[in-house]
Amino acid sequence: GQNIDQPTEMTATEGAIVQINCTYQTSGFNGLFWYQQHAGEAPTFLSYNVLDGLEEKGRFSSFLSRSKGYSYLLLKELQMKDSASYLCAVTDSNYQLIWGAGTKLIIKP
Amino acid sequence: DGGITQSPKYLFRKEGQNVTLSCEQNLNHDAMYWYRQDPGQGLRLIYYSQIVNDFQKGDIAEGYSVSREKKESFPLTVTSAQKNPTAFYLCASSIPDKHTGELFFGEGSRLTVL
Repeated sequence: GQNIDQPTEMTATEGAIVQINCTYQTSGFNGLFWYQQHAGEAPTFLSYNVLDGLEEKGRFSSFLSRSKGYSYLLLKELQMKDSASYLCAVTDSNYQLIWGAGTKLIIKP
Repeated sequence: DGGITQSPKYLFRKEGQNVTLSCEQNLNHDAMYWYRQDPGQGLRLIYYSQIVNDFQKGDIAEGYSVSREKKESFPLTVTSAQKNPTAFYLCASSIPDKHTGELFFGEGSRLTVL
């Protein structure tokens, strides 16, 4: 079956760096997305990776290794507003989007 | 501003009742989607539509129905046949009809069955 794995919850300190990992096993691959979702709100797009390597966008970066079925989202200079769930999603060979359960990130002062 | 509007934000329903969740977008997107989100689980696709007057079942379509009479609108009806309807429902749209582009989400509708 198809599967996306992410840690359920992570805790980090304001101003620090945190890395959220995502591993996937899907039938084919057509891209990987990261979304941010604050509690009770809609997900918002953070990044999209389709080729191997690191994509940097301000304080957030996303990395992809297709051979390892692995991605991570790196958040630098953490702020309290970064407390949210981070969702990893993969588009498979049939262009179906498979979602992970999300990682709840708790930021402490 | 362009975006997706879902209503109502909160909805309570008695068992045996059908309810309809509204989703309207002014982004001129062709593709629209309905997802269900439950605690501890990934988003699950209920229905999707790539063009007007056409829609496809997703992974968990049983107990739900949709229509796509206009490009801007994609309402979801939760019928009494849905055995566990209490959940957070998200409507989304995208430019391409395949999941290779960014999804734009509405604010969600939280349905509670009493």
